[in-house]
This record gives sequence, C-alpha cells and structure tokens, in this order.
Amino acid sequence: NAGVMQNPRHLVRRRGQEARLRCSPVKGHSHVYWYRQLPEEGLKFMVYLQKENIIDESGMPKERFSAEFPKEGPSILRIQQVVRGDSAAYFCASSPPDRVVGYTFGSGTRLTVV
Amino acid sequence: AQKVTQAQTEISVVEKEDVTLDCVYETRDTTYYLFWYKQPPSGELVFLIRRNSFDEQNEISGRYSWNFQKSTSSFNFTITASQVVDSAVYFCALSGNTGFQKLVFGTGTRLLVSP
Repeated sequence: NAGVMQNPRHLVRRRGQEARLRCSPVKGHSHVYWYRQLPEEGLKFMVYLQKENIIDESGMPKERFSAEFPKEGPSILRIQQVVRGDSAAYFCASSPPDRVVGYTFGSGTRLTVV
Repeated sequence: AQKVTQAQTEISVVEKEDVTLDCVYETRDTTYYLFWYKQPPSGELVFLIRRNSFDEQNEISGRYSWNFQKSTSSFNFTITASQVVDSAVYFCALSGNTGFQKLVFGTGTRLLVSP
C-alpha cells in the first residue's frame, strides 16, 4: 500500500545546474499535482497533470520550470539553471479520477541551491 | 478568488493546555472542501481532516476537534490536552469544485508545546 513516492528526499545543486524531481503517484491514481513551499511559507500550487497532459500550469514560473507525467514512469518536475531562490520544498500529490477522496501528498523533496 | 487566512503565526502552550488554531476562508464556490494538515519538524505533510461544505457537523477524533461554521467562513481546529508531540506547523487548506482539486493553503500556524 505504497503512498506517493518522491525522490530524492534532499537535493543539492549549484547555481546554473539542472534539478530533476521525481514523483511516483499512488497506484491507480491518474492525477498528479506539484506544490512548492518556500521557507516559512505555506504550499503554493504549481501544476496539475494527468497522464501525458498538462491540465493547469497557472502556478508554474514562466521560465526554467517544466513538468511532465508520461504514459509510463513517474512525473518529473524539472528546473533548469537553478538559482538560490529555487531553494524550497517541492511536494507532489496524487489523486484518483474523482480527485478528492484519496488526495495524497508525498514526503517532499528539499532542494537546496548553493 | 479563493483565500485561506491563518492569522496566528505562532502559538506557545504548556503541555495539557487546550489550544485552538483559527482558519478563515474565502470562496465563491457553493461546493468546496476544507482540509487541515500537520507538518512536523521532519517536514512531511500529515493529513488530518477533510470536510465537505455541505457537512457542518463538528467532528471529534481523539484529542482533536474541528468546528466548521459557514456563517463566519471559519474552520477552527482545537487540540485538547496538548502534548509535546503536537508541536508542528498546522496548515488549513481549501479546494473548490471547479473541475479539479487545487488546494489553496494558508500560511500555517506554528504550535510549540513545552513540557
């Protein structure tokens, strides 16, 4: 009965490098959401994906950030050319088609940019 | 637009005291969901409760209780006889029925329970 699996738990990148965060949803969940938590703040919605489709990316920064949820494999949040301000905790959540019952968060990936 | 306000930034209590965490929300949706999550120092998000906007009954789960009042747009959370293990940041969140479930979070209340 695995929940949402995120890896890595901690990621350190130097400025200018790329960060790739992975999220494996609960088995049978077809919807994935990414949230960002800046230090001392609440979570902010970034993007909502279904298999092979981006449904809502209204919370994604316009540049350097992208997300995908391929037919096979985990969802990936990709941050190119990271800057210090990208340091945050990134949480993934997944849900079944009815979207509310079973909405489950992963343990998060803590990204530190040095 | 949807908004969640947790006016209490930090609360400090002594063990065994009761404590109430406030949550006020704004939404134009007639159907919506309210959530509380706990974030302990380890950083993960622990789901505590989900409440449908049509269900205004208060709920009790052990030492936890929730008071949902649509008239004041509030969904307050009370911990009875607090314990040191309750020390965490608590988030209130709101989701509307707009076709998908995007949660809007408050800024959180940090609860410190000292022995």
